[in-house]
Amino acid sequence: EVQLVQSGAEVKKPGESLKISCKGSGYSFTSYWIGWVRQMPGKGLEWMGIIYPGDSDTRYSPSFQGQVTISADKSISTAYLQWSSLKASDTAMYYCARRTVTYDYGDYAYYFDYWGQGTLVTVSS
Amino acid sequence: DIQMTQSPSSLSASVGDRVTITCRASQSISSYLNWYQQKPGKAPKLLIYAASSLQSGVPSRFSGSGSGTDFTLTISSLQPEDFATYYCQQSYSTPGFTFGPGTKVDIK
Repeated sequence: EVQLVQSGAEVKKPGESLKISCKGSGYSFTSYWIGWVRQMPGKGLEWMGIIYPGDSDTRYSPSFQGQVTISADKSISTAYLQWSSLKASDTAMYYCARRTVTYDYGDYAYYFDYWGQGTLVTVSS
Repeated sequence: DIQMTQSPSSLSASVGDRVTITCRASQSISSYLNWYQQKPGKAPKLLIYAASSLQSGVPSRFSGSGSGTDFTLTISSLQPEDFATYYCQQSYSTPGFTFGPGTKVDIK
């Protein structure tokens, strides 16, 4: 069974650092991209970035470039999202998700088929 | 960057109603369009990928159509468990996947 299990909720102060995790199991972790998605309170889904654990190739949404760092440790099938200096505006639920590629009807399809349960990050003084 | 819009932003419907949600891309994305359902406090769930392919295990009352810039998610007969927020997502500019702003479906 494919599973993505995220680390638990965090409460931090502005200026602190943080690293949250997403552990994959039940599939070849190095063969699928893992993406991160932010959901601020009461708001929609925002794609932050994505990493290929096989070689750590990483891409960021322009909105999040320089604001966060995405990494992975393939030896323990875990992807990470980290901040060096949190702001109150980083308060949100963060989801990881597996990107799958299929080939149907002569074309490729790309989508997030498995999601973690989410990690709530609260930043408050 | 490809921008995604959805309409309506919210709707009220009754059990048994046929519901249609529209998603529009700022440029042609062929059929690189996915639909997700999110219930409060839960992670999103994939419903439709590649504009019209039903994800395994998703009820057949859900269907998707469209290509280019205009797409539709249809729920043929709304069920109580379908009250949720629905998001479209483009996967044309891989690996970056922009989401639409969402459509909330609630009970009339």
